[in-house]
Amino acid sequence: GENVEQHPSTLSVQEGDSAVIKCTYSDSASNYFPWYKQELGKRPQLIIDIRSNVGEKKDQRIAVTLNKTAKHFSLHITETQPEDSAVYFCAASIDHNAGNMLTFGGGTRLMVKP
Amino acid sequence: KAGVTQTPRYLIKTRGQQVTLSCSPISGHRSVSWYQQTPGQGLQFLFEYFSETQRNKGNFPGRFSGRQFSNSRSEMNVSTLELGDSALYLCASSTTSGAGYEQYFGPGTRLTVT
Repeated sequence: GENVEQHPSTLSVQEGDSAVIKCTYSDSASNYFPWYKQELGKRPQLIIDIRSNVGEKKDQRIAVTLNKTAKHFSLHITETQPEDSAVYFCAASIDHNAGNMLTFGGGTRLMVKP
Repeated sequence: KAGVTQTPRYLIKTRGQQVTLSCSPISGHRSVSWYQQTPGQGLQFLFEYFSETQRNKGNFPGRFSGRQFSNSRSEMNVSTLELGDSALYLCASSTTSGAGYEQYFGPGTRLTVT
């Protein structure tokens, strides 16, 4: 089955700096890659996603890049703010008749210091 | 639209008992997936229901089961509870089933097994 690895497990940045979280996946059939943000005690919140026919996608301060050849994708957050502090999860989904199953990475705890 | 709701939000059970958790998807969403979140194992897929049928099942023992009703509401059941079943159980809804459809999570049910 699919395996997703995520690095780093913790990331501490100064407010205003950029943060990058990287994920690799094992199954080349994966074609949908969402990112979720989970604040303490809250539900995971979908913040951005990318499909395999696209190499990069941006939404204000966040962007995701995908390298299908290398089987890795990354989340980029620019001009970080204290409210960006949370745990971020990457995930991958394989396009076949198995439905909506997401395989998650282990998570990255991002701490933005004011 | 109202978001995904889950009941109850907190549960304390004793080993050997069984438990039923409920999930109401976003209006119009027909797919419901269930995930288990623990500090050690992270987010793991349990199963997905679409049109009252189980589409896919993760690597969990048969003690974990679920069902979906005609109004798309879903329940999951865990029988013969073990200490290791203590976790946050999250459901996520999607408009339909298949890779690439955005999944939105509920707040989760925190299950503690003593």
